[in-house]
Amino acid sequence: SQKIEQNSEALNIQEGKTATLTCNYTNYSPAYLQWYRQDPGRGPVFLLLIRENEKEKRKERLKVTFDTTLKQSLFHITASQPADSATYLCALSRSNTGKLIFGQGTTLQVKP
Amino acid sequence: DVKVTQSSRYLVKRTGEKVFLECVQDMDHENMFWYRQDPGLGLRLIYFSYDVKMKEKGDIPEGYSVSREKKERFSLILESASTNQTSMYLCASSLEGMSTEAFFGQGTRLTVV
Repeated sequence: SQKIEQNSEALNIQEGKTATLTCNYTNYSPAYLQWYRQDPGRGPVFLLLIRENEKEKRKERLKVTFDTTLKQSLFHITASQPADSATYLCALSRSNTGKLIFGQGTTLQVKP
Repeated sequence: DVKVTQSSRYLVKRTGEKVFLECVQDMDHENMFWYRQDPGLGLRLIYFSYDVKMKEKGDIPEGYSVSREKKERFSLILESASTNQTSMYLCASSLEGMSTEAFFGQGTRLTVV
C-alpha cells in the first residue's frame, strides 16, 4: 500500500544549527511534494513545493530536496531559531485532480 | 487572503447522533478536502472534492459522507457518531491541479461522548 513516512520522534536541536527533517514514501510516484508547518491548535500552513524534475528548492532559510530514486525528500532549516519550533508535514500529490496525501509529521524543538 | 472557515472550533456530540461539519472557502477554489488528525497518525484524508458534486474517497471514508452542492461549501457528515470519531477535523481548499498549495481552516475539535 502507499505510505508516507516521517520521523515520528521529535527532533531537538540547538539554536543556530541546521535542522534536517526526512520524508520517505513507498508505492507512490508523486509529481509534486510539499512541506507544511503546523503550530499547536492551528491548521497547517504551506511552506514550499518541489516538482519531481527539480532536485532542490530554496526559500530564505529553508531548503528542500527531492530524490525520486531514493523516494525521499529532505527539509532543511538553516540557522534555526526557537520560533521555528513546530510540527512539519510533508505532502504528496500525483493525481490530475490535485488529491493531497500527508505524512504524520515531525515535531521540531529548537532550544535557545 | 484566502480564507477557509470551519463552522465550529469545538463540538461535543452524543454517540449515535448525526453530525454536520461545515467548511466554507472564499477564493473560488475547485478542490476541497476533509482530513482528520490524531496524535502520531498525522493528517489522514477522509474525502476529497475536485468540483461541485464531485467527490473521491480518501484513505478513511468509513462512517463519513460528504456533500458539495455549491463550490464554496464542503460538508462532512458523520451518519451516526461513534467515540472513535473523536478527533481534530481539518478542512482545506486549493486550486485545481497537482501543483497548488492547500489552505487550511482552523480545525474543529470534535468529541463524541
